[in-house]
Amino acid sequence: RKEVEQDPGPFNVPEGATVAFNCTYSNSASQSFFWYRQDCRKEPKLLMSVYSSGNEDGRFTAQLNRASQYISLLIRDSKLSDSATYLCVVNDYKLSFGAGTTVTVRA
Amino acid sequence: GAGVSQSPSNKVTEKGKDVELRCDPISGHTALYWYRQSLGQGLEFLIYFQGNSAPDKSGLPSDRFSAERTGGSVSTLTIQRTQQEDSAVYLCASSRYREEAFFGQGTRLTVV
Repeated sequence: RKEVEQDPGPFNVPEGATVAFNCTYSNSASQSFFWYRQDCRKEPKLLMSVYSSGNEDGRFTAQLNRASQYISLLIRDSKLSDSATYLCVVNDYKLSFGAGTTVTVRA
Repeated sequence: GAGVSQSPSNKVTEKGKDVELRCDPISGHTALYWYRQSLGQGLEFLIYFQGNSAPDKSGLPSDRFSAERTGGSVSTLTIQRTQQEDSAVYLCASSRYREEAFFGQGTRLTVV
């Protein structure tokens, strides 16, 4: 089983829509979780950390479900600029990346 | 600078030559990671340094690849006798232990 698994998508949504996707992790002792976004031919950039109580940053909401070992990302009121690949990351002693979920927001 | 710095940003080399890629992490970050990414593919883990511990080299694809981190700061990734399949973007990241990591802009390596 891979350490981190994501639904690859693609998610193709209209502007203004809400899109949500999950990521599962295999190590029940994992403590540090993050979402990154990666644009084509660019380096990954930190989108947000994921806290136990869940957290929100503008239109983005991250949740952690320890019992089921998954984290989620929800994007509200999607913008064209949200089109990217979203990477789920677990930082135990090294970074473990999911393969990424591709989101395309269309006009 | 405040971010992770990688050099060169682009490198074109002939098959069979050796190359060195450099990463200058964020000051105070004890963890340093190397990844590579081929076009349209995900991130492939190469090597991980944490403080003074022995590095995790489990991702190095062959013995042509090696890396070192001097003084707990700057790291160099060396690829000997380059092959065309080594062509990729090589990304370096640094973090504090178990905290968010920050990436450099990468080195785009092309082996011709």
